[in-house]
Amino acid sequence: KAGVTQTPRYLIKTRGQQVTLSCSPISGHRSVSWYQQTPGQGLQFLFEYFSETQRNKGNFPGRFSGRQFSNSRSEMNVSTLELGDSALYLCASKGTGDTGELFFGEGSRLTVL
Amino acid sequence: QKEVEQDPGPLSVPEGAIVSLNCTYSNSAFQYFMWYRQYSRKGPELLMYTYSSGNKEDGRFTAQVDKSSKYISLFIRDSQPSDSATYLCAYWYSSASKIIFGSGTRLSIRP
Repeated sequence: KAGVTQTPRYLIKTRGQQVTLSCSPISGHRSVSWYQQTPGQGLQFLFEYFSETQRNKGNFPGRFSGRQFSNSRSEMNVSTLELGDSALYLCASKGTGDTGELFFGEGSRLTVL
Repeated sequence: QKEVEQDPGPLSVPEGAIVSLNCTYSNSAFQYFMWYRQYSRKGPELLMYTYSSGNKEDGRFTAQVDKSSKYISLFIRDSQPSDSATYLCAYWYSSASKIIFGSGTRLSIRP
């Protein structure tokens, strides 16, 4: 069974640009979550999608957005990039059940210059 | 106050040692407690999860939860160099469908 796939793995942008990151969940998983990981703040929840609907959102500005497609693939977008947006962005998919077992991808490492 | 407090380390121990990793939390509503392991340049992977107070064992790993003290621990017996990673305690916030992570403890096992 293929794991969670994130693209691109690495990218460099400059301040003010925008970026789109992609995530393909494990086949059959309908819930996709996004997390931001930085050395200072650790892992922080961005948002969660289920069946193309955003169910929950973390405490991030509106520059961070996402969407989910009918095949459960998800994208997240960050507009007007700031230096502080440099981070590892992790996507995770979840099956049924309410145990918090998330399957993470390897992440997209974004560097903002 | 952070909802989850975890000593960031780094922690370095010799191979074969018993490792103890600890976290405290503040929200009594937390029900599911987890430990995730993250190798360098990889995403976190679930190591263990538990619902109730007490101990849960899986091979060389034991997760311990004390709800009265809001304290959870992970013990690693006969530690191996392959255990070198960052260990994140975590709580499943069911109503918000999200995980709240500790800051992670970086562990290094010296051969």
